[in-house]
Amino acid sequence: KQEVTQIPAALSVPEGENLVLNCSFTDSAIYNLQWFRQDPGKGLTSLLLIQSSQREQTSGRLNASLDKSSGRSTLYIAASQPGDSATYLCAAGSSNTGKLIFGQGTTLQVKP
Amino acid sequence: NAGVTQTPKFRILKIGQSMTLQCTQDMNHNYMYWYRQDPGMGLKLIYYSVGAGITDKGEVPNGYNVSRSTTEDFPLRLELAAPSQTSVYFCASSYSFVGVGTEAFFGQGTRLTVV
Repeated sequence: KQEVTQIPAALSVPEGENLVLNCSFTDSAIYNLQWFRQDPGKGLTSLLLIQSSQREQTSGRLNASLDKSSGRSTLYIAASQPGDSATYLCAAGSSNTGKLIFGQGTTLQVKP
Repeated sequence: NAGVTQTPKFRILKIGQSMTLQCTQDMNHNYMYWYRQDPGMGLKLIYYSVGAGITDKGEVPNGYNVSRSTTEDFPLRLELAAPSQTSVYFCASSYSFVGVGTEAFFGQGTRLTVV
């Protein structure tokens, strides 16, 4: 059974720092790994989607990597801004079921 | 661009009451999903549908029912509300099965409290 874990649960950094959010999964049989952003009281917004055949994806200041063999993905945020404050969730698309399995999220606070 | 629309945004139910959470999408997506999110936890899949007339159970289906009579609508029904169903509920849709690499679009959520 696929399990997805995100560490740390919460992170507070000063503005301008580069930071890394971690996501680990137990079953390497995944179709893809997706990163979402969730603002308080809001729904989820898709940030990056990495297919199983890819190693990384980039969008602006965001870079997500995927290492299936070690069961890990990281989300790198460059030059963090207060507007980046949100909860970031990763989700693994299961090859066995075709469903998304979510981690519990990392809540990020970027202080001005 | 409406995307995925959920109603209501907030609701308080008494134990034993029933209600329907509404979800509609205007992107002509075949695949629709209901998730619940408990505090500090990730999303758990309740039910999903791969097209009109076809539904299937997810990880946590007990206490819920769904129907899919049209491509656009995927309501979630709670028959006998229990405190354990206090949660935030998200509806989502995608062009094909979300786990195989298609982007999922989420609604804004329904915050349900059962007292």
